[in-house]
Amino acid sequence: EAEVAQSPRYKITEKSQAVAFWCDPISGHATLYWYRQILGQGPELLVQFQDESVVDDSQLPKDRFSAERLKGVDSTLKIQPAELGDSAMYLCASSFGQGTSYNEQFFGPGTRLTVL
Amino acid sequence: QKEVEQDPGPLSVPEGAIVSLNCTYSNSAFQYFMWYRQYSRKGPELLMYTYSSGNKEDGRFTAQVDKSSKYISLFIRDSQPSDSATYLCAMSPGTASKLTFGTGTRLQVTL
Repeated sequence: EAEVAQSPRYKITEKSQAVAFWCDPISGHATLYWYRQILGQGPELLVQFQDESVVDDSQLPKDRFSAERLKGVDSTLKIQPAELGDSAMYLCASSFGQGTSYNEQFFGPGTRLTVL
Repeated sequence: QKEVEQDPGPLSVPEGAIVSLNCTYSNSAFQYFMWYRQYSRKGPELLMYTYSSGNKEDGRFTAQVDKSSKYISLFIRDSQPSDSATYLCAMSPGTASKLTFGTGTRLQVTL
């Protein structure tokens, strides 16, 4: 069964350091999402891609966060510099992204980031 | 005030009980209503989705949407210990739009 892959699964870093997360969506999925889930809360969208284009990055803290999906397949989310408040689970999801019927979003296992 | 409100629990029930989970929302643009299950240290997995108002049943799970009251529910019949997880409601205005999640309700089904 096709799955969304994410790496690393866990990352511990010190504040002011740079971190990067990688996501490989399900093959053929045009839409890719990065969500952040703080402990005890629901996921919140950081950025949405349609192929290689950004559709929504209104909640992405652009002074420190960046995201790219250069060839419209896999994606990287970067934080520089990391702050204590960035400690969270970073979830990647993908969906088929086309057609008129509902496009289920499939989530990866997430990257748990701890900033010390 | 958040767009989607959900009681965080925890909710503890004995095996075999009927579980009722609920969310309220404020955005009238929401058309698709989802329930996700999330086990500890895992990503969410979709249980069911409903378009607009109405009921949908899948095995032991029933989802209800009342758009007039901006209220959605998930019922779990004959609950099992394997149902112990966090249940997240989520909503979106379109077929490929971002999801807006509730905080999640942690459910514990005891033997």
